Amino acid sequence: DTAVSQTPKYLVTQMGNDKSIKCEQNLGHDTMYWYKQDSKKFLKIMFSYNNKELIINETVPNRFSPKSPDKAHLNLHINSLELGDSAVYFCASSQEIGWINEQFFGPGTRLTVL
Amino acid sequence: DAKTTQPNSMESNEEEPVHLPCNHSTISGTDYIHWYRQLPSQGPEYVIHGLTSNVNNRMASLAIAEDRKSSTLILHRATLRDAAVYYCILREVGGDYKLSFGAGTTVTVRA
Repeated sequence: DTAVSQTPKYLVTQMGNDKSIKCEQNLGHDTMYWYKQDSKKFLKIMFSYNNKELIINETVPNRFSPKSPDKAHLNLHINSLELGDSAVYFCASSQEIGWINEQFFGPGTRLTVL
Repeated sequence: DAKTTQPNSMESNEEEPVHLPCNHSTISGTDYIHWYRQLPSQGPEYVIHGLTSNVNNRMASLAIAEDRKSSTLILHRATLRDAAVYYCILREVGGDYKLSFGAGTTVTVRA
């Protein structure tokens, strides 16, 4: 069983479109995250949710809107896609206790904006 | 976040040990040292973490300097599957939930 899963694995779309990436974890964790890895391979946190509440928003444009319908899901919706949004997006989860958390990452979604 | 410095790349032969250094001279007393790795085309995975004492697990060992300003991740017998980017990350006790990744060290394992 996959601990953290993401769909789709690949997403190719045109500029200006709206798209969503879904993430699900079956680990019973309270905290979920979205990270972005750009073409230079730098991984940066975008959002973090704890028990369905937003706790981190790292100055991400408001075109990006995370939605957590329940603790097991954290979806990422992106409006008006731009070329610079092309990247690999990773979802992660952890049983957060503030210090020793092991984050489990999904396989990533490669988004290409044409 | 306190910063870490790692070499850009390291090479090793298969079945030989690999020692990956990490400098964190501005580490605070409440910072844990975490290591993650990212295999090609995969998401990062947790390797090990520690605070002051050396730590061992099934994947690796973590040696922490007495002044905590540096640490070394040790892969005892490198395999081809250990070829990855290794990230050394500091996380504050009770701090926020994010992991702040640097550039990491790209490890190449020669057969």
